Amino acid sequence: SYVVTQPPSVSLAPGETATITCGGNRIVEKTVQWYLQKPGQPPVLLIFYDTNRPSGIPERFSGSNSGNTATLTIRSVEAGDEADYYCQVWDSTDERVVFGGGTKLTVL
Amino acid sequence: QVKLVQSGAEVKSPGSSVRVSCQASGVNLNSYTVSWVRQAPGQGLEWMGGLIVIFDTANYAERLQGRVTISADVSTSTAYMELRNLRSDDSANYYCATGHSKPQWFESWGQGTLVTVAS
Repeated sequence: SYVVTQPPSVSLAPGETATITCGGNRIVEKTVQWYLQKPGQPPVLLIFYDTNRPSGIPERFSGSNSGNTATLTIRSVEAGDEADYYCQVWDSTDERVVFGGGTKLTVL
Repeated sequence: QVKLVQSGAEVKSPGSSVRVSCQASGVNLNSYTVSWVRQAPGQGLEWMGGLIVIFDTANYAERLQGRVTISADVSTSTAYMELRNLRSDDSANYYCATGHSKPQWFESWGQGTLVTVAS
């Protein structure tokens, strides 16, 4: 089954730009989504179909997908962005969903 | 977005089964794929499987195949997840979720149901 890998943690100061990666073999051929999860809450969809934002998600959040890496970029991070971020891939080969292990974003 | 309301917390013994429900408000469940995602304490998200309700066709994660069944009752707009032969490492928060079907992503989530497996 398909495997995707995320860094366990990312730390940066307020106002900086965060990049969270999701690596997988030829991930560019897959559909990648990104979710944010705060403690005690269900996940929230941030990005779907590689680059699209649902209504209500700030433009500071953007996604890209190329080669073996998909990337979530968060511009001008704020304390409120502290959360766990998960990538999710739709594997059309066997029609299964795969989640990355999650990345904890800490705003120093 | 669809509002999803799940059943309450459960405590189960090893080897037993659990059934968690997920009721969708004000929508025809036939229009959706309903998936279940679980999260062990302090761990990441794990997709368990999904049901295309209108076709009553389910697909499951390989590691859970044979122990999990996802079903739905469209008359009550309620989806169910049954997990059998419970083990201690099945202790987790279980979420139902809906959204786009193929490719699949999740726009609406239930509040979660904590299942504890302990002797």
